[in-house]
Amino acid sequence: EAQVTQNPRYLITVTGKKLTVTCSQNMNHEYMSWYRQDPGLGLRQIYYSMNVEVTDKGDVPEGYKVSRKEKRNFPLILESPSPNQTSLYFCASGYRADEQYFGPGTRLTVT
Amino acid sequence: GQQVMQIPQYQHVQEGEDFTTYCNSSTTLSNIQWYKQRPGGHPVFLIQLVKSGEVKKQKRLTFQFGEAKKNSSLHITATQTTDVGTYFCADSGTYKYIFGTGTRLKVLA
Repeated sequence: EAQVTQNPRYLITVTGKKLTVTCSQNMNHEYMSWYRQDPGLGLRQIYYSMNVEVTDKGDVPEGYKVSRKEKRNFPLILESPSPNQTSLYFCASGYRADEQYFGPGTRLTVT
Repeated sequence: GQQVMQIPQYQHVQEGEDFTTYCNSSTTLSNIQWYKQRPGGHPVFLIQLVKSGEVKKQKRLTFQFGEAKKNSSLHITATQTTDVGTYFCADSGTYKYIFGTGTRLKVLA
């Protein structure tokens, strides 16, 4: 089944404790992207990747890191999480910047 | 930077009524995509428009791209309870996406 998977789905952590949210797709998509969704603000792009080893900043990259060592994986890293990074995170993939397939989301709470 | 606003923010309709959401950009849109997100779910792609003035239909849904490529609209005819959710537009540009703020639709049976 074609899909985008994210792990974990839910995470509660404390300020400053490094964490990684994994994202994997099995559709051989070149393009992958991370978003955060906050009430009233819609979806805001954090980082995107056009292909392996090629990444670029979206609208809200501060406090996040990404890497694209393999085509199928695009992990999101929070080196020192803060409470303002409490949000719902979505990973997405697609062929170039066409139709995007979204993962199920990761709800992160930073206390 | 570019801002993409959607109106209305919320809309409650009786089942069978029509619904329209508008997407307005502060700058010219490259391409416009529309997504639907059911409550508790993830966004799902509906359609992409690329040409000025383009109109596309999917059953009861009609999508339109403005002549100046600064706005777009989604119209649903005779809403059904299955239409409940939040509708987002997005400027897909090259690779950087700017999403609209979304319109949350509730359909009363």
